[in-house]
Amino acid sequence: GAGVSQSPRYKVAKRGQDVALRCDPISGHVSLFWYQQALGQGPEFLTYFQNEAQLDKSGLPSDRFFAERPEGSVSTLKIQRTQQEDSAVYLCASRQGGYNEQFFGPGTRLTVL
Amino acid sequence: SQQGEEDPQALSIQEGENATMNCSYKTSINNLQWYRQNSGRGLVHLILIRSNEREKHSGRLRVTLDTSKKSSSLLITASRAADTASYFCATDERSGNTPLVFGKGTRLSVIA
Repeated sequence: GAGVSQSPRYKVAKRGQDVALRCDPISGHVSLFWYQQALGQGPEFLTYFQNEAQLDKSGLPSDRFFAERPEGSVSTLKIQRTQQEDSAVYLCASRQGGYNEQFFGPGTRLTVL
Repeated sequence: SQQGEEDPQALSIQEGENATMNCSYKTSINNLQWYRQNSGRGLVHLILIRSNEREKHSGRLRVTLDTSKKSSSLLITASRAADTASYFCATDERSGNTPLVFGKGTRLSVIA
């Protein structure tokens, strides 16, 4: 069966550009999470959806970051007016239920020049 | 902010040796999970241990959990070069359906 997929795998943006990162979770998984992973660090939570509802966005670092999951499946993380400090790997994970393991996608490596 | 800390930060061993990594965390948890990440790749789930469990095995992996000390260990027996990766522990807080909180990871190098 297909796992979590993310696109693009790599994105290079000029400072000030807007970017959109896509996540396709495992079919039927209710919960979807976005994490940001800086080089040499563990992933840090950004935001969480249960179906189409964004239940927690406390980890979004600024109002330039916006995420949506309009139909409860595919999710998009958008970063407006990118800055160099936004350079990181953005990981998406999905989970079937509340207390099971999360399955991660391969990530999108964003480099802001 | 990151809740946990893995120890050691880096570990280098010979193929065939055992590798032990430790993780400490700060709050009460529902479960603790270990993940592996190869360079430039996504996270692969290894094992989940619930707060009411003390030990769990999966193949060459053995995980222990001590909730009184808020710590966990991951043992990889008979290591292989293919085990070279970063290993992260991640906790689910007891308060409900919350996101995972990761440590900074242990970078394991297995030398053939």
